[in-house]
Amino acid sequence: DTGVSQDPRHKITKRGQNVTFRCDPISEHNRLYWYRQTLGQGPEFLTYFQNEAQLEKSRLLSDRFSAERPKGSFSTLEIQRTEQGDSAMYLCASSLLSVNEQFFGPGTRLTVL
Amino acid sequence: DAKTTQPNSMESNEEEPVHLPCNHSTISGTDYIHWYRQLPSQGPEYVIHGLTSNVNNRMASLAIAEDRKSSTLILHRATLRDAAVYYCILRREGAQKLVFGQGTRLTINP
Repeated sequence: DTGVSQDPRHKITKRGQNVTFRCDPISEHNRLYWYRQTLGQGPEFLTYFQNEAQLEKSRLLSDRFSAERPKGSFSTLEIQRTEQGDSAMYLCASSLLSVNEQFFGPGTRLTVL
Repeated sequence: DAKTTQPNSMESNEEEPVHLPCNHSTISGTDYIHWYRQLPSQGPEYVIHGLTSNVNNRMASLAIAEDRKSSTLILHRATLRDAAVYYCILRREGAQKLVFGQGTRLTINP
């Protein structure tokens, strides 16, 4: 399968714990995006990378959230000191520089107890 | 970001055409109109996009009003697999993020 992959697909954690999600974009896609989706709502943009540079961050991305894309390939999204309000589906997408279309992965569903 | 307005839900029958409307009265000249859909338990999927002229691809057609204040996504012959939430999104030229609204939940009856 050559699509965007995300790991894990599901994560259950206790409030206050740290969690890290991984996204592997489609090979050679320069841009990588993170979105968050809560039940019944459309996805909300969190941040995006062009190669290894993080070029835009949403105000939704509090200090507890950090994203990296160290070698311009896969990316990680870490949430520190999780809160119940962090429970959501975390979606990753990738695209080429020259193309408008974003390709989304299946998401990681986070449940904070 | 310019706002889009879509009906919360629509229903259609299998093998019939479906017209999904979107209003975007505050659209600016450099805003592209994008449509994505999200099937159950999956990430969103690109459907089509356009600027001023009507567009066709293998999945759908996009009809854009002359004043660009509204557009319609047309599925020519709906199948059960087209049941999804459809999002109409305005994306300014050069902008990277997609700003999703609540979309239209499309139900297809067999």
